[in-house]
Amino acid sequence: AQTVTQSQPEMSVQEAETVTLSCTYDTSESDYYLFWYKQPPSRQMILVIRQEAYKQQNATENRFSVNFQKAAKSFSLKISDSQLGDAAMYFCATQGGSEKLVFGKGTKLTVNP
Amino acid sequence: DTGVSQDPRHKITKRGQNVTFRCDPISEHNRLYWYRQTLGQGPEFLTYFQNEAQLEKSRLLSDRFSAERPKGSFSTLEIQRTEQGDSAMYLCASSHPRGLQETQYFGPGTRLLVL
Repeated sequence: AQTVTQSQPEMSVQEAETVTLSCTYDTSESDYYLFWYKQPPSRQMILVIRQEAYKQQNATENRFSVNFQKAAKSFSLKISDSQLGDAAMYFCATQGGSEKLVFGKGTKLTVNP
Repeated sequence: DTGVSQDPRHKITKRGQNVTFRCDPISEHNRLYWYRQTLGQGPEFLTYFQNEAQLEKSRLLSDRFSAERPKGSFSTLEIQRTEQGDSAMYLCASSHPRGLQETQYFGPGTRLLVL
């Protein structure tokens, strides 16, 4: 069974600053994927970034990057130069041998102008 | 490419009624997933299809729930004899596998309220 834990229900950041969202997971799979999804208020969930567990290099997508610590089963998301449009719920998810995604409970990010 | 679409976007029904939701995946995506999201929680997996075959069902999918994908394109999710506990956002996602796992793209969801 896979589990995902997001220990920060809410986070806030000043515009243009950097924020890190935490995620830990547990899985018995040897081959798995990790994701961060963003869900703005009343809008659909979109993929932010994806990491293959077999890759040691941390994934980056523009202002978004991850710190993947496989041994510690940690997968944090760093958002640099935060923008007002980054305000949303952020969900960490894992996908192992089964096709299903297993999500954490989410972190609500507020960006202050 | 148009994204995943879901219909209706909102549904209010009375307890005991049946409801049906539709999902149209991204064209050529042969995998389609249903998730349920309650307030303050992350989405929870319900079931998924590869083409028209339903390959996995969660134990969350009680006997009152049925999903179909008859021609391997759109899918429907039906809830019979709705209960107040069925109130949630029902999300559909699709993916096109090129490897072992591929990114799932989500639709806007159908928000169900059971009175």
